[in-house]
Amino acid sequence: GAVVSQHPSWVICKSGTSVKIECRSLDFQATTMFWYRQFPKQSLMLMATSNEGSKATYEQGVEKDKFLINHASLTLSTLTVTSAHPEDSSFYICSARDFRQGRTGELFFGEGSRLTVL
Amino acid sequence: GENVEQHPSTLSVQEGDSAVIKCTYSDSASNYFPWYKQELGKGPQLIIDIRSNVGEKKDQRIAVTLNKTAKHFSLHITETQPEDSAVYFCAASFSGSARQLTFGSGTQLTVLP
Repeated sequence: GAVVSQHPSWVICKSGTSVKIECRSLDFQATTMFWYRQFPKQSLMLMATSNEGSKATYEQGVEKDKFLINHASLTLSTLTVTSAHPEDSSFYICSARDFRQGRTGELFFGEGSRLTVL
Repeated sequence: GENVEQHPSTLSVQEGDSAVIKCTYSDSASNYFPWYKQELGKGPQLIIDIRSNVGEKKDQRIAVTLNKTAKHFSLHITETQPEDSAVYFCAASFSGSARQLTFGSGTQLTVLP
């Protein structure tokens, strides 16, 4: 299947600092990427849809000023957690759909990024 | 919008036995149903998917069945192995939509050696 890579896989930061997570589609171009948040033993919660060259679309209840999303190229989307607080600690996962020739838009996920805010 | 329910939430089987996880969906327009396996601390991995123009799909020990009339689909794992232990998520979507998949709540499968 397609490869989606996230970096860093885990990060620890102090309260009040900002953290950037990168999501790359390694072997295909993705005009749209998706960011999820997952709490322990729970399902994936869609936070926002990242659109290449335009503003992200945020789900209801997700603070766009808190979670800044940038999709500057067809292979890279970034999520920046601004002024992070302990309640932002979570597992963040990105995904992208593979629409290359012969594929039908299957959704592939990155490895996830574990954020711990002290 | 779409609503996906998944059962059971936990499932324990003996190695070599079969495991079945079931999901129901609400939106009759949904036509794409993937299954993901998530190991601890990792992102979900697509293991099999099915589209509404077929009723069953198989890939080695994994199979998925779809009943459009009843709006439910199931994952079947045969000859389970300890490495099958993980959380499994079902999902549904209308493939023509740019919107995301709607996920089930997940099933923690434990294969006992």
